Amino acid sequence: EAGVTQFPSHSVIEKGQTVTLRCDPISGHDNLYWYRRVMGKEIKFLLHFVKESKQDESGMPNNRFLAERTGGTYSTLKVQPAELEDSGVYFCASSIRDTQYFGPGTRLTVL
Amino acid sequence: AQKVTQAQTEISVVEKEDVTLDCVYETRDTTYYLFWYKQPPSGELVFLIRRNSFDEQNEISGRYSWNFQKSTSSFNFTITASQVVDSAVYFCALKQGSNYKLTFGKGTLLTVNP
Repeated sequence: EAGVTQFPSHSVIEKGQTVTLRCDPISGHDNLYWYRRVMGKEIKFLLHFVKESKQDESGMPNNRFLAERTGGTYSTLKVQPAELEDSGVYFCASSIRDTQYFGPGTRLTVL
Repeated sequence: AQKVTQAQTEISVVEKEDVTLDCVYETRDTTYYLFWYKQPPSGELVFLIRRNSFDEQNEISGRYSWNFQKSTSSFNFTITASQVVDSAVYFCALKQGSNYKLTFGKGTLLTVNP
């Protein structure tokens, strides 16, 4: 069974540009999550989807971040416009219930 | 509010030594879950174990063992006879019973030297 996949693995953009990260969850997992780890800090929760609905987006830092999960399958996280402080590793996870399985992350560098 | 503290930022051991990674948590919930994840150099977070708040039995899986003590709010992880392949960042995480978000500690970087 394929695990959680994320694309791209790395992205380097300039401040002010737009970046879209993609996450494909494990097949059959209705719950999908985004987390972020900024350098030297904890991994922090961003938001949670149940199928295509946003269940909890309390961790989204501001309105420059937009997450979608059309059709309840894969999800995208768009950052527009990117700022320097958005640099970090963005993890996606999926679950059926309590145990979340993580992808390899996307390392975003904003210059 | 909930919080996870991993006081050990980095640990370095020599192969075959035993090593314990500490995790202390804070939560007001009576129902919660604790997790350990391993992040090898390749970057992905690998699930190792889940424990719920009503199950204080210690768990052993091969060279790995976990000691859950509610009295001290700790969920420590021991690797017996460490190997070079155990080198990774290890994260402890907490989930309240009422929602899905994980609260992570800052992680402990374990280096096992040959």
